[in-house]
Amino acid sequence: DTAVSQTPKYLVTQMGNDKSIKCEQNLGHDTMYWYKQDSKKFLKIMFSYNNKELIINETVPNRFSPKSPDKAHLNLHINSLELGDSAVYFCASSQGGNDYEQYFGPGTRLTVT
Amino acid sequence: KQEVTQIPAALSVPEGENLVLNCSFTDSAIYNLQWFRQDPGKGLTSLLLIQSSQREQTSGRLNASLDKSSGRSTLYIAASQPGDSATYLCAVSASGGYNKLIFGAGTRLAVHP
Repeated sequence: DTAVSQTPKYLVTQMGNDKSIKCEQNLGHDTMYWYKQDSKKFLKIMFSYNNKELIINETVPNRFSPKSPDKAHLNLHINSLELGDSAVYFCASSQGGNDYEQYFGPGTRLTVT
Repeated sequence: KQEVTQIPAALSVPEGENLVLNCSFTDSAIYNLQWFRQDPGKGLTSLLLIQSSQREQTSGRLNASLDKSSGRSTLYIAASQPGDSATYLCAVSASGGYNKLIFGAGTRLAVHP
């Protein structure tokens, strides 16, 4: 019954590796988002997809590449991981447009050593 | 550039108190404002969404108000309980569309018995 799910919940990896985080929503929403929460707990948007089309792309290193195979899924692939990538990554979804609530997943805690 | 500030950063109150959390934003051209709750190590739970044309929203013991012209919102929690202990985040949907949320740093609330 989970509305927005993410896998894995925890990810520990070494610098230089490539990793992916997966997100799925079963709410029938057409817009999905990735946010990053840094060590100071500050949340910032990274990307957003609407109907599989990239609509928000904040100033994020191009080592980060989102991919949306369909409306219910939005994955985040990170190449050449760096120490500074350590954070909690949250996926969210909503109906398109500005009138709707965003629903968040439980987060993926990424630790780069 | 939209900036969101939340005051106070932390709050500790005895059970039963009514309390007010404050959120201010620098650009009044917002589409909506959303209040979230985040428990330690968990994702965000949406509490209330206020559209830019609305003045307030209520859900149970929670009441959120919005004064767009002055760039302020308050979250009122009535009869606080220990289970209300969490971090409360305010986010505005920035102009430019696509429901891009800009978050404040949060207010960490502790309600003690």
